[in-house]
Amino acid sequence: DGGITQSPKYLFRKEGQNVTLSCEQNLNHDAMYWYRQDPGQGLRLIYYSQIVNDFQKGDIAEGYSVSREKKESFPLTVTSAQKNPTAFYLCASSRARGQDNEQFFGPGTRLTVL
Amino acid sequence: AQKVTQAQTEISVVEKEDVTLDCVYETRDTTYYLFWYKQPPSGELVFLIRRNSFDEQNEISGRYSWNFQKSTSSFNFTITASQVVDSAVYFCALSEESYNTDKLIFGTGTRLQVFP
Repeated sequence: DGGITQSPKYLFRKEGQNVTLSCEQNLNHDAMYWYRQDPGQGLRLIYYSQIVNDFQKGDIAEGYSVSREKKESFPLTVTSAQKNPTAFYLCASSRARGQDNEQFFGPGTRLTVL
Repeated sequence: AQKVTQAQTEISVVEKEDVTLDCVYETRDTTYYLFWYKQPPSGELVFLIRRNSFDEQNEISGRYSWNFQKSTSSFNFTITASQVVDSAVYFCALSEESYNTDKLIFGTGTRLQVFP
């Protein structure tokens, strides 16, 4: 089955620690995205990548980092510089721009900072 | 500036009622795309529909229908004969052709609760 997997589903972190969220897709999509969702709010874009070895900051990139070494993988690191990291994180992917540009989402990772 | 507004924070209906979720958008682009996603309690966003700015035809898919009106910058979503399984948060989103990406701008979502 084609799709997007995210792990872990739940993640707990102590303040001051970096954590990495995994996102893998087997849809052969070129573009991948990371969004953050806070209670009662829509999704906000953290980072996106349209091609391997290239990525761009979204609207709220401060305190986060990413890499895109493989087409199917786009891990997100939440660093200790992120002041309020507790949130629900969603990864998405899509074909290249233009037609059929709908994004497909993974199941999400819920991060809690203790 | 681009923006998506979903003014209805929460809607409660009884099964079999029809319900309409409103979405109003702002954009300066002439070419753009509009989307609806469903987020059930599990958290994963499920793609429902995509519309481009040149296609104002309304669409029906089973109990779901969408009404796109450029004149009022609206893209409303109607569920006919609602069911308990329709309970979820629904997001409307916009992407613009002029951006060098398919960045989605989301509304804040409408939580729909369907009671038996």
